[in-house]
Amino acid sequence: IAGITQAPTSQILAAGRRMTLRCTQDMRHNAMYWYRQDLGLGLRLIHYSNTAGTTGKGEVPDGYSVSRANTDDFPLTLASAVPSQTSVYFCASSQGVRTGELFFGEGSRLTVL
Amino acid sequence: AQRVTQPEKLLSVFKGAPVELKCNYSYSGSPELFWYVQYSRQRLQLLLRHISRESIKGFTADLNKGETSFHLKKPFAQEEDSAMYYCALSGLRNYGQNFVFGPGTRLSVLP
Repeated sequence: IAGITQAPTSQILAAGRRMTLRCTQDMRHNAMYWYRQDLGLGLRLIHYSNTAGTTGKGEVPDGYSVSRANTDDFPLTLASAVPSQTSVYFCASSQGVRTGELFFGEGSRLTVL
Repeated sequence: AQRVTQPEKLLSVFKGAPVELKCNYSYSGSPELFWYVQYSRQRLQLLLRHISRESIKGFTADLNKGETSFHLKKPFAQEEDSAMYYCALSGLRNYGQNFVFGPGTRLSVLP
């Protein structure tokens, strides 16, 4: 069982370019999330989706967009990357919105120059 | 507002010594508290949650509402405990979108 798969695992990107981080889960979880991990700040929620067809903004949504066309996929798009978006991005899922256990992907390390 | 603080960025202990990773929180209602762990080259994963009141890998954590703390403890640290530990808090509804993580503490267990 793969759980959550993220791609790419690492990417260097020029500022101003568009980038989509992919996230796929095979657990049929309803809820999915995108976090960024920065040293000293922990994990901060960017966007979330409680169920297919719905999305919401987290703590740090500016500069990012998401879509949830189906249960399995939850891509994160940076429309025009900036250096402050250099981070490690984690996709996560949970069975429902009322469960405390989040299942995480392996992360995508993004560097914006 | 929800907030989780972990005062130590790095904690080093010797193998066999007791370890305590501190976590304090602020929340206006009754929160649920969690500890997540990230071992080297592994995914972030749930270690334990306060409502389970269980010991995982020898770790325990007690929610102290008076001190608003949820410290993680282990009486005898092992080298394999070396990892990044995150304390997290959630309100009772809509866990995911209200999930707040602390900044994390890197535990290094020395031989």
